[in-house]
Amino acid sequence: NAGVTQTPKFQVLKTGQSMTLQCAQDMNHEYMSWYRQDPGMGLRLIHYSVGAGITDQGEVPNGYNVSRSTTEDFPLRLLSAAPSQTSVYFCASSTDQSGGELFFGEGSRLTVL
Amino acid sequence: GENVEQHPSTLSVQEGDSAVIKCTYSDSASNYFPWYKQELGKGPQLIIDIRSNVGEKKDQRIAVTLNKTAKHFSLHITETQPEDSAVYFCAASEGGGADGLTFGKGTHLIIQP
Repeated sequence: NAGVTQTPKFQVLKTGQSMTLQCAQDMNHEYMSWYRQDPGMGLRLIHYSVGAGITDQGEVPNGYNVSRSTTEDFPLRLLSAAPSQTSVYFCASSTDQSGGELFFGEGSRLTVL
Repeated sequence: GENVEQHPSTLSVQEGDSAVIKCTYSDSASNYFPWYKQELGKGPQLIIDIRSNVGEKKDQRIAVTLNKTAKHFSLHITETQPEDSAVYFCAASEGGGADGLTFGKGTHLIIQP
């Protein structure tokens, strides 16, 4: 039972480069989300999706793009990376946006030089 | 929007002693309060949660208490063990579940042998 799988685990980018963080879950969860974790800042919501074809912005969406073409996958795109996007990114899923436990992936550490 | 304050940021206790982590929230409409544990290099994992119609909930050595009037809730860990060392996050949600969770900044719990 893989749960929530994130790739890559580590990535170094140069300012202005683009990349996609992949997230896949095998639990048939409708709700998926992306968080970033920075020292002393806790977990902040970037984007979320309540089902295939539906996405919405969280607390810190600027500079990030998402899409949800299937129930399983929820990729996070950085169109033009900036040093301020250096962070650890977590993807999470839940069976239900109301009353559901969040299942997190193991994280992707991104460094933007 | 919701604002969740968490204290302390670091807590060091002797093995076998109790640990208490406190959180306050700002939105009186919040009705779901989970606690997540994050071990080094891993994603957060739900350890216990409480809803606004309950004042206290226990699960073996961990318990959570909720004071709706004062808008604060606390995590209590008794008989602490080395494996309790981790970062703990509280969160609050109006929607009752994963959607709209606002996290505290985290508490690094250190268990001294």
